[in-house]
Formats: sequence, C-alpha cells, structure tokens
Amino acid sequence: DIQMTQSPSILSASVGDRVTITCRASQNINIWLAWYRQKPGEAPELLIFRASSLKNGVPSRFSGSGSGTQFTLTIASLQPEDSATYYCQQYNNKWTFGQGTTVEIK
Amino acid sequence: EVQVVESGGGLVQSGGSLRLSCVASGFTFNTHAMSWVRHLPGKGLEWLSAISRSGNTTFYSDSVKGRFTISRDNSRNTVFLQLNNVRAGDTARYYCAKSPLGVVAFFDHWGPGAQVTVSS
Repeated sequence: DIQMTQSPSILSASVGDRVTITCRASQNINIWLAWYRQKPGEAPELLIFRASSLKNGVPSRFSGSGSGTQFTLTIASLQPEDSATYYCQQYNNKWTFGQGTTVEIK
Repeated sequence: EVQVVESGGGLVQSGGSLRLSCVASGFTFNTHAMSWVRHLPGKGLEWLSAISRSGNTTFYSDSVKGRFTISRDNSRNTVFLQLNNVRAGDTARYYCAKSPLGVVAFFDHWGPGAQVTVSS
C-alpha cells in the first residue's frame, strides 16, 4: 500500500502569513494527489486535485504543486477561516490519506 | 446543488451490525462512483470502501474487508454501507463521498457524516 506522510503535524502562523504544507508519497504517484481542508466539526472539502488544479470556488490563495513523491500545499495569505486540518490523498493506487496537518492561527 | 446525506448512525454493541445509508441529489447518480470514508476520533481520515457507478465493482480497505459491505441502489440514488461484527476501533464519524467521475479518484462532495459509536 502507498503511505502518505505530511509535515509538519501542527503549524502555528499569523493572519497574512504564507503557509506551506508538505506531503510525501512512499512511491511514485505521478500527479494523482488531492488536498482537503476540514474545519472543526465539519466534513472535509476538496481544495485541489491532480496536484495543482484548484476546485471551482476555492479561493485563489490556495495552490498546489509537485509530482512523483513530493507535493506541497501553499496558502499565500492565511485567513482566520483557514484554521483547520489539511489532508493530502493519493489516488494513483487505491486511496490513502496523509495523517493531517493542523493549522492554528496565532 | 449537489448533496449527499448520510443516515443510520448510532450506538451499537461490539459484535453487532448497523447499516448506513447515503442519499444523493443534484447530480446524475448512476454516472458517479461513490465511497465511504471515516474520521477516527483524535486521528485522521481513513478511506474504507468504494463502488463503481454500476455497482458491479467494489473495493475495500484491509481494515474492513470481510466485515463491511458496500452496495448501491441507483433507482433510489442511494449508497449503503453494511457494518458487521463491529469493534471498538470502528467508533468514528462515517462520511459518504462522491467522485467526480465514473471511476473512484478524489472526492469532490462529502456529506455531513453519521456518527457510529461501538460500546462494549
């Protein structure tokens, strides 16, 4: 099975900061990676698919990059509503989530 | 508007059974694969099972294979997850999720979830 490892596990930043989350796959997954945001008490919501494609309606401050085994999610200017847990998910071979990165607002 | 809504959660004894349902609306149900994902308390998301648009092909994670069964009724726009022989480790919030395609890929719409609590 493909393992997904995210770093850091917890991140604390201020409103307006640029934030980067990393996701590493245990084997090559090409560009078959998605990112989700899960706010407390809510269902996950899709942000990015195919490593860098933004879902319609998602704010442009979110961007994704990478291919193969290394991927990043960047929030260009952190907003209060971005306080959440972020997950990467591979869909190259079955479906696996990373363990999550919790973003806290200072 | 695309919507998926789960039901059927609740309290179940260890070793017991439960059936979750997910009713979909706002899209052509029989052209999309569907999945179940759970959120374990204090932990992350775990993909559990998926079903093709026709229902002829199903997939399971190793952790639930042989205990959980996914099915769908395209005439009722509904997907099901039958949970058998549940354990304490199955306590979680269970989400129904839609794929944007006829094959399982990523999940573009999620329901609000159904809580399953397993008691000993």
